[in-house]
Amino acid sequence: GDSVTQMEGPVTLSEEAFLTINCTYTATGYPSLFWYVQYPGEGLQLLLKATKADDKGSNKGFEATYRKETTSFHLEKGSVQVSDSAVYFCALRTSGTYKYIFGTGTRLKVLA
Amino acid sequence: DAGVIQSPRHEVTEMGQEVTLRCKPISGHNSLFWYRQTMMRGLELLIYFNNNVPIDDSGMPEDRFSAKMPNASFSTLKIQPSEPRDSAVYFCASSFADRGSPLHFGNGTRLTVT
Repeated sequence: GDSVTQMEGPVTLSEEAFLTINCTYTATGYPSLFWYVQYPGEGLQLLLKATKADDKGSNKGFEATYRKETTSFHLEKGSVQVSDSAVYFCALRTSGTYKYIFGTGTRLKVLA
Repeated sequence: DAGVIQSPRHEVTEMGQEVTLRCKPISGHNSLFWYRQTMMRGLELLIYFNNNVPIDDSGMPEDRFSAKMPNASFSTLKIQPSEPRDSAVYFCASSFADRGSPLHFGNGTRLTVT
């Protein structure tokens, strides 16, 4: 079945470091891909999305490119801030059922 | 846009009691999802609706759980009787029913069953 695999966390970085969180997927059909962020005590918030191959989603300095050939959607940011500390979820939405499949989440901690 | 509204934000109840969680989706959205989040199991999809019709309830853990969507602007998730292992944060989320539409989450209901 459809699935999303994220790198295990936690990821701990110093402020201004480069961030990569890996995400790969398995899907039948042609999914849309999403990254969500969850801050403590809140629901998940959309960070960025991409709906077709080679699309690049971007928001707040974060970027991810839909790579169909490698079935990946890795999240990157050039310079992280303490305020980026949160849990990040990769997700796909299937073209058949419109169901969302989430990864297990990656906790990011950024130290000042 | 008020976002997805869930109530209550916190619920503490004793084992055996009935619990009802409520959700108002974003106006115009026609897909609604209920998720449960715990440290041990992460984010689990319980059930989702398209146009008020339940499409997939395979994630509902037991017959003690039931969900309804009587109209496009309201949904409930009921647990009866509740058990301590039901303690979790329950999220409601809504979206348009198209492939590229993102999911919008409420702030969740933190349920504690003692």
